[in-house]
Amino acid sequence: GAVVSQHPSRVICKSGTSVKIECRSLDFQATTMFWYRQFPKQSLMLMATSNEGSKATYEQGVEKDKFLINHASLTLSTLTVTSAHPEDSSFYICSANQGLGYEQYFGPGTRLTVT
Amino acid sequence: KNEVEQSPQNLTAQEGEFITINCSYSVGISALHWLQQHPGGGIVSLFMLSSGKKKHGRLIATINIQEKHSSLHITASHPRDSAVYICAVHSSKLIFGQGTTLQVKP
Repeated sequence: GAVVSQHPSRVICKSGTSVKIECRSLDFQATTMFWYRQFPKQSLMLMATSNEGSKATYEQGVEKDKFLINHASLTLSTLTVTSAHPEDSSFYICSANQGLGYEQYFGPGTRLTVT
Repeated sequence: KNEVEQSPQNLTAQEGEFITINCSYSVGISALHWLQQHPGGGIVSLFMLSSGKKKHGRLIATINIQEKHSSLHITASHPRDSAVYICAVHSSKLIFGQGTTLQVKP
């Protein structure tokens, strides 16, 4: 149980286009979902926290107009990278929390390459 | 100084060796996670603990809240244990260590 999926697993897009990444909790309801990014050889950095039905809370330094997060249902959150640039190329990972304690379940990640 | 420090950063071991990865943190925490990240990038949660010790198969995790320190031990290591091991503490949010890259050679 407690499986989180992400789609796509890998995406290449051209500079200036927008890319949407989906994060789904497959067998549980996720009251809170988290979005992280990870640069090569670096640790995960929290980008934003989203609660179903409310606006996401962004970490300092993360542009909310560039990284649009929607958490429309208890099983789906989306991250849209708008007007992507090569420096947005990174590994994006989501995780989900059932609202019971501190356990987080991580998705497999999405590797974004912007050319 | 990072709020979560792991050591060593890199570790190479021979199959069968006992392995220890350490994690020290400087913030107040509610829980500590040990995560495993394979080369493909996916992350698996190994343990979540707030006190004492947990064991799962060949893996053991311990935490000393007073000393703000946790260790992950792998007994009888195997090449398939090769991965990046990440310590993350739950403060107001999850704060991650830099990770320890483990390579187990046959």
